[in-house]
Amino acid sequence: GENVEQHPSTLSVQEGDSAVIKCTYSDSASNYFPWYKQELGKRPQLIIDIRSNVGEKKDQRIAVTLNKTAKHFSLHITETQPEDSAVYFCAASYSGGGADGLTFGKGTHLIIQP
Amino acid sequence: DVKVTQSSRYLVKRTGEKVFLECVQDMDHENMFWYRQDPGLGLRLIYFSYDVKMKEKGDIPEGYSVSREKKERFSLILESTSTNQTSMYLCASSLGDTYQPQHFGDGTRLSIL
Repeated sequence: GENVEQHPSTLSVQEGDSAVIKCTYSDSASNYFPWYKQELGKRPQLIIDIRSNVGEKKDQRIAVTLNKTAKHFSLHITETQPEDSAVYFCAASYSGGGADGLTFGKGTHLIIQP
Repeated sequence: DVKVTQSSRYLVKRTGEKVFLECVQDMDHENMFWYRQDPGLGLRLIYFSYDVKMKEKGDIPEGYSVSREKKERFSLILESTSTNQTSMYLCASSLGDTYQPQHFGDGTRLSIL
């Protein structure tokens, strides 16, 4: 089955700086890669996703890049703000996240220092 | 807005008890999922369903079963609980098309004593 590795487990950055979280996956058939943000005590919420036929996607301060050859994808957050503090999870799926569920990384605790 | 509702926020049970965790979604989604979340392990897929009465095992199905009698409801059943099933249980749903995001409920924190 699919295996997703996520690094780092904890990331502390100064407010206003950029943050990068990296994930690798094992199954070359995976074709859908969402990122979820989970604030303390709350449900995971989708913040951005990317399909395997796209190399990069951006939504305001958030961007995701995908390197299919290296089986590697990353989340980039620019101009970090206190409300970006949360746990972020990457995930992968080989049927577009539809009928087979998602395989998640173990999460990155992002801490924004004032 | 998609609403995924889990019946209990917190639940405390004793070892050996049978437990039902209920999940209801109001967006006519075809797919429903059960995950468990443990510190340092992320979310792991237990079971999922892509249609009424259909179920598929996820990565960690041992000790669990599921039921989907109606499209909007997906139940997770722990037949005889053990302490290693103490965890946060998250339900999710999505449309049946590809590349559709999964929407999560608030979770049930289950403690087995």
